[in-house]
Amino acid sequence: DTEVTQTPKHLVMGMTNKKSLKCEQHMGHRAMYWYKQKAKKPPELMFVYSYEKLSINESVPSRFSPECPNSSLLNLHLHALQPEDSALYLCASSPQLAGGPHEQYFGPGTRLTVT
Amino acid sequence: DAKTTQPPSMDCAEGRAANLPCNHSTISGNEYVYWYRQIHSQGPQYIIHGLKNNETNEMASLIITEDRKSSTLILPHATLRDTAVYYCIVRVASSGNTPLVFGKGTRLSVIA
Repeated sequence: DTEVTQTPKHLVMGMTNKKSLKCEQHMGHRAMYWYKQKAKKPPELMFVYSYEKLSINESVPSRFSPECPNSSLLNLHLHALQPEDSALYLCASSPQLAGGPHEQYFGPGTRLTVT
Repeated sequence: DAKTTQPPSMDCAEGRAANLPCNHSTISGNEYVYWYRQIHSQGPQYIIHGLKNNETNEMASLIITEDRKSSTLILPHATLRDTAVYYCIVRVASSGNTPLVFGKGTRLSVIA
């Protein structure tokens, strides 16, 4: 199984809503990532988790709150977002092994629209 | 910032080889060259990577110049399904959680 799944596929939320994005993988990978991709732009790193601990936060605003409850699951909690946060949110995972780097496997993304 | 330079767009006739260049003139000795592609509205997909030697897999070939300052991704027989944005990325050889830094990539259009 080399699949990373993301739910929901699409999400529309108001600026006062609280919602969560979910990412799951069963490849035994211990590194997981969130990327954000605006229209017609390349993906940009938001967060990296290594062994369920946050290892990189690319100065992301606190209205985005990541969580890694176990080695297979990665969540992104959203609160009080702005319309400019509308984007495709991509989750990825990779092995946490010596002798890297190793390829990252991406999910299909969640397309978020903030109204 | 991305450490690579790629042409913004290229066209290729279906069935012909697509040769996608990438310039990485500041690459360090411990950095790999990785290629990913992103088909419209999907997540990026790993294609191939290399350090010094040329590499080939079932998807593509990677040719790295001897001075390692540039490389070429070759799709030997392009099909319409290869239409995508192709990203050339350099990454430090370390443990597995090195993030990807995407540049603008090359938008490849395969034409029937």
